Amino acid sequence: DIQMTQSPASLSASLGETISIECLASEGISSYLAWYQQKPGKSPQLLIYGANSLQAGVPSRFSGSGSGTQYSLKISSMQPEDEGDYFCQQSYKFPPTFGGGTKLELK
Amino acid sequence: EVQLQQSGPELQRPGASVKLSCKASGYTFTEYYMYWVKQRPKQSLELIGRIDPEDGSTDYVEKFKNKATLTADTSSNTAYMQLSSLTSEDTATYFCARALYVMDAWGQGASVTVSS
Repeated sequence: DIQMTQSPASLSASLGETISIECLASEGISSYLAWYQQKPGKSPQLLIYGANSLQAGVPSRFSGSGSGTQYSLKISSMQPEDEGDYFCQQSYKFPPTFGGGTKLELK
Repeated sequence: EVQLQQSGPELQRPGASVKLSCKASGYTFTEYYMYWVKQRPKQSLELIGRIDPEDGSTDYVEKFKNKATLTADTSSNTAYMQLSSLTSEDTATYFCARALYVMDAWGQGASVTVSS
């Protein structure tokens, strides 16, 4: 299975700050990379797919980039509602595998 | 609006089995895979397997092959997952999610607690 290594494990950001979360795949995944946000007690919600395509309804302050084995999620201008857990996921090969998650908190 | 409505929380004894349901609405049930994902408390997400409701074919992650059984009923647009021989390791929240390549709609999750 493809291993997804996500960093950092936790992050604290101030209101309006720009943050980045990284995801490293154990092999090339040809941009078959998605990002999800999960709030406490809720199900994950798709933010980004295809490494850089914004899911409908997701604010434009979220963006994704990367290629090959290295990918990142950027949130420009941190908002209170952005607090939560973030997961990357590859869908290049079955089974889809997830990163370990990043807990984002407002400072 | 796409909705996946999952069954309620379960409290089961070790060794028992449990069957979770996931009722789909707002889209054509047979046009998407249904994935099942496990999340243990404070942990990441782990795929269990997927089912193609159109023909009932399934793919399982190796470690869940003797644990989970996925089925789908196209007459009621409902997917099911049965977990057998429950142990404390099965205590988790289980999500269903529809997908082609990405999981773009998720159920609300079903909590399973295994305790004597």
